[in-house]
Amino acid sequence: QKEVEQNSGPLSVPEGAIASLNCTYSDRVSQSFFWYRQYSGKSPELIMSIYSNGDKEDGRFTAQLNKASQYVSLLIRDSQPSDSATYLCAVNKGNQGGKLIFGQGTELSVKP
Amino acid sequence: GAVVSQHPSWVICKSGTSVKIECRSLDFQATTMFWYRQFPKQSLMLMATSNEGSKATYEQGVEKDKFLINHASLTLSTLTVTSAHPEDSSFYICSARPGTVPYEQYFGPGTRLTVT
Repeated sequence: QKEVEQNSGPLSVPEGAIASLNCTYSDRVSQSFFWYRQYSGKSPELIMSIYSNGDKEDGRFTAQLNKASQYVSLLIRDSQPSDSATYLCAVNKGNQGGKLIFGQGTELSVKP
Repeated sequence: GAVVSQHPSWVICKSGTSVKIECRSLDFQATTMFWYRQFPKQSLMLMATSNEGSKATYEQGVEKDKFLINHASLTLSTLTVTSAHPEDSSFYICSARPGTVPYEQYFGPGTRLTVT
């Protein structure tokens, strides 16, 4: 079992819809959770971080964390074609010098 | 804030030569920097963790004598690919972490290395 798992996609949604990206992790000691966006040929960009159970909203993005179920999700409201990218879920366990464990990424395609 | 730069953005070198890539945190001090490699259509692969003033910690399977990492200051880490071969051609990305929780990492723009 991979430490951080994501559906590779591609996930295709129409413009204006809600895109829902999911991520599960295996180690219960995980403390910090991040979502990165990576456009093709570019480096990852941090878009959301979440540390406690519940929802965290930032503009069109909402991160949701459920530690009991060991999953973290990212919702993108009013999806735009410019949101088309690969979204990487990353987890820090707090005991490895800040190292992040990345999922394989979910490719999102927003169709006009 | 939290800007990380890398230089060069792309480099072409001949097989057998060495290439140095610089990673700088521009507006914060980075106690820890990380070096990743990414092949096309694949996820990030952590190569090593670099702490200022100490030896880098390499991930399993990464040759420390081939990928030399130096973290000389709180704002600069370098990766030197020694005796490069075509299979070393990849996208090399660094990230930097400010010295406090909660472990956010900020990525540089990456360096595309092509070895001919």
